[in-house]
Amino acid sequence: DAGVIQSPRHEVTEMGQEVTLRCKPISGHDYLFWYRQTMMRGLELLIYFNNNVPIDDSGMPEDRFSAKMPNASFSTLKIQPSEPRDSAVYFCASSLATPNTGELFFGEGSRLTVL
Amino acid sequence: KNQVEQSPQSLIILEGKNCTLQCNYTVSPFSNLRWYKQDTGRGPVSLTIMTFSENTKSNGRYTATLDADTKQSSLHITASQLSDSASYICVVSGSPPGGGADGLTFGKGTHLIIQP
Repeated sequence: DAGVIQSPRHEVTEMGQEVTLRCKPISGHDYLFWYRQTMMRGLELLIYFNNNVPIDDSGMPEDRFSAKMPNASFSTLKIQPSEPRDSAVYFCASSLATPNTGELFFGEGSRLTVL
Repeated sequence: KNQVEQSPQSLIILEGKNCTLQCNYTVSPFSNLRWYKQDTGRGPVSLTIMTFSENTKSNGRYTATLDADTKQSSLHITASQLSDSASYICVVSGSPPGGGADGLTFGKGTHLIIQP
């Protein structure tokens, strides 16, 4: 398997623009997670899905952020409108088992810069 | 509040030397503890996962220890290599409601630099 695949790897955009990050989890993994990583705060969970259903989105910063998982092999994280403070690395991860027991497999991340 | 504290924040050692990274946690109830290696510009990769009953676990030159009584863990790297330069992240898993919504509490990592 190719692992968790994320795109784009790098995105530079201007404040106010819409940003869409994409993720393909490992085939057969029932859980998909979106994390954000910054120097100040480290890795933070934004939202996670089980069998394509959002389970907990309490980590989503505000209404500007939204995530979807239309099928088992694809998820998107959208920021609209983007702001400079959204600049971070966004990771997608997938897992076979429940979050606190299953091993997490991370993608290579999408580095977002909002000017 | 569930917390994971890692020390040191950064460390520089010479190639071939050993080093030990520390992780203290307050997550309760406890399920398991994980160490991840994150190369610059890459995603974290799992090194070890330790449950309550495991005191030591090795993965090549990496050896993790766990003391569930004192809520401390360490990651020991033997005979360091240039490729060990990375951030090492300690993650503690707690059965809900411990940890974040995913049951995980992340440390901020130790940035390790191996110099030739």
